[in-house]
Amino acid sequence: DTGVSQDPRHKITKRGQNVTFRCDPISEHNRLYWYRQTLGQGPEFLTYFQNEAQLEKSRLLSDRFSAERPKGSFSTLEIQRTEQGDSAMYLCASYWWGTNTGELFFGEGSRLTVL
Amino acid sequence: AQSVTQLDSQVPVFEEAPVELRCNYSSSVSVYLFWYVQYPNQGLQLLLKYLSGSTLVKGINGFEAEFNKSQTSFHLRKPSVHISDTAEYFCAVSPQGAQKLVFGQGTRLTINP
Repeated sequence: DTGVSQDPRHKITKRGQNVTFRCDPISEHNRLYWYRQTLGQGPEFLTYFQNEAQLEKSRLLSDRFSAERPKGSFSTLEIQRTEQGDSAMYLCASYWWGTNTGELFFGEGSRLTVL
Repeated sequence: AQSVTQLDSQVPVFEEAPVELRCNYSSSVSVYLFWYVQYPNQGLQLLLKYLSGSTLVKGINGFEAEFNKSQTSFHLRKPSVHISDTAEYFCAVSPQGAQKLVFGQGTRLTINP
């Protein structure tokens, strides 16, 4: 396995459009996280899944944001009616809950630009 | 809740000089501590972590960090930096057993020849 992959790497959209990002975690990892990183800031937690169950959502995740992990494998993050403030890097990470190693493995991110 | 403060947003150093990137955290519960590095247009890569045991931890690329519980700090050090160390460095904490990282705002390390 080559690690966590995210698609697309870059997305430019107009305000008001919907966008969807996909994350494929490391295959044996049962936890999957989404983070958002704006320019000059550290990543901020958005949500995470254990298998297909969404266990926690940050208050940053407004009702325009929805995340799914339908079969406990890949995950999608959808943003509806995008706003310029949504411009950011969206990072996905995965982890094998039970190993207690503490290390989250990150993908290279999906950069969103809202015009 | 946990929080992380990275005390320097930018650190310029000359090549082959030593460097220290400072990190302080706040938490009401025991935590795990991490340093991640982010090269331009890339994701985050783990440099090192403290889970338990020896308070001095060694990581990749010659970096090390020391956990100081009384000062709630986890400073990152390297005795001699290289141009290739130019990157953004993030300190992060996670409540023990929770595996949800809270990141600091990052420190941009710039190496001058």
